Amino acid sequence: QVTLKESGPALVKPTQTLTLTCSFSGFSLGTSTMRVSWIRQPPGKALEWLARIDWDDEKFYSTSLKTRLTISKDTSKNQVVLTMTNMDPVDTATYYCARDPNRGGGTSYFDYWGQGTLVTVSS
Amino acid sequence: DIQMTQSPSSLSASVGDRVTITCRASQSISWYLNWYQQEPGKAPNLLIYSASNLQSGVPSRFSGSGGGTDFTLTISSLQPEDFTTYFCQQSYSIPNTFGQGTRLEIK
Repeated sequence: QVTLKESGPALVKPTQTLTLTCSFSGFSLGTSTMRVSWIRQPPGKALEWLARIDWDDEKFYSTSLKTRLTISKDTSKNQVVLTMTNMDPVDTATYYCARDPNRGGGTSYFDYWGQGTLVTVSS
Repeated sequence: DIQMTQSPSSLSASVGDRVTITCRASQSISWYLNWYQQEPGKAPNLLIYSASNLQSGVPSRFSGSGGGTDFTLTISSLQPEDFTTYFCQQSYSIPNTFGQGTRLEIK
């Protein structure tokens, strides 16, 4: 079965760089059309899409955060890594990774999600 | 970026009621609209994809419709487990964007 799990620090200081890892099983990012995205959710607020990496290593970023984000993958390890620089208290949120199987014809959705990891930014 | 606006932001209803949640896009997104349900403290769960397609395993009381800029999620007969939060998301263009959410509460 498909599973994803996020890992990383629970607490980071302002200005530090956050590195999160999404470890997954049940599918491969080496498979044509497969994609993985990162999405975050501040406490009590809406979901915000951050970045996506595709099976062919194409990468896409949030318009407002693209200067701070880097997404990468290690296909052999079934992992996707997100780094976010210059962290600020407003970046406090639960960070999720999610799979998009990209069924073709433009059909795109997040069918499996990790449990999420809460990252607090505070000095 | 495409803006997604959900209405209402909260809704009170009773078990057995039929409810409709609306999502409007700031420009046409064809039928590239997905709906998710999120229980407190949990990850979102996909309900409907491409506006009207029921995700496998999702009860048939959930349905979606619409296209272009206007979309609806309908729950035909509310069950106790349905009282939680719902989000729409457009997959028409990058960056993908979500609505602000609709909280469904027991009356």
